[in-house]
Amino acid sequence: GAVVSQHPSWVICKSGTSVKIECRSLDFQATTMFWYRQFPKQSLMLMATSNEGSKATYEQGVEKDKFLINHASLTLSTLTVTSAHPEDSSFYICSARPSGGDYGYTFGSGTRLTVV
Amino acid sequence: AQSVTQLGSHVSVSEGALVLLRCNYSSSGPPSLFWYVQYPNQGLQLLLKYTSAATLVKGINGFEAEFKKSETSFHLTKPSAHMSDAAEYFCAVTRGYNKLIFGAGTRLAVHP
Repeated sequence: GAVVSQHPSWVICKSGTSVKIECRSLDFQATTMFWYRQFPKQSLMLMATSNEGSKATYEQGVEKDKFLINHASLTLSTLTVTSAHPEDSSFYICSARPSGGDYGYTFGSGTRLTVV
Repeated sequence: AQSVTQLGSHVSVSEGALVLLRCNYSSSGPPSLFWYVQYPNQGLQLLLKYTSAATLVKGINGFEAEFKKSETSFHLTKPSAHMSDAAEYFCAVTRGYNKLIFGAGTRLAVHP
């Protein structure tokens, strides 16, 4: 149980375009999901906390207008990188925690974004 | 606030040797602590977690960790390393139903 599916696993896009990444909890409901960014050989940096039915909470330094987060249902959160630039190239990982669970956090398999 | 410090960005052991990955935490209240493993270009897999139950936690793949409040530590160990254990390991802390804060990670290399 507690499976999180992330799609796509990799994507290449041109500068100036937008890319949407989906994070789905397959067998549980998640009122809260988390989006992380990971640069090569570095740790995971929390970008934002996605809350179902309300606005996401962004970490300091993360541009809200650039990284749009939508959590419209208890099983789906999306991250849209708008007007992508090469510096946005990174590994993005989502995480979800079952509602009322025992602090278990499950991670998606990640999305490798390359902006050319 | 919570934070995690992983001592040693790289650890190298021989196959069959003891694995010890160090993690110290800081928390403003009772913490929940986690160890995750990450293989290249993949997400994170939970090895084990501490959530105020037994202080010695056993996880998957023969790993275990001991919560020591007096030392604010949660070190990860495995008695005998296997080649397949080579990966990146992350220690993480949270408090309550809150965001996970990760350490910088430790890359484990296992050589024959």
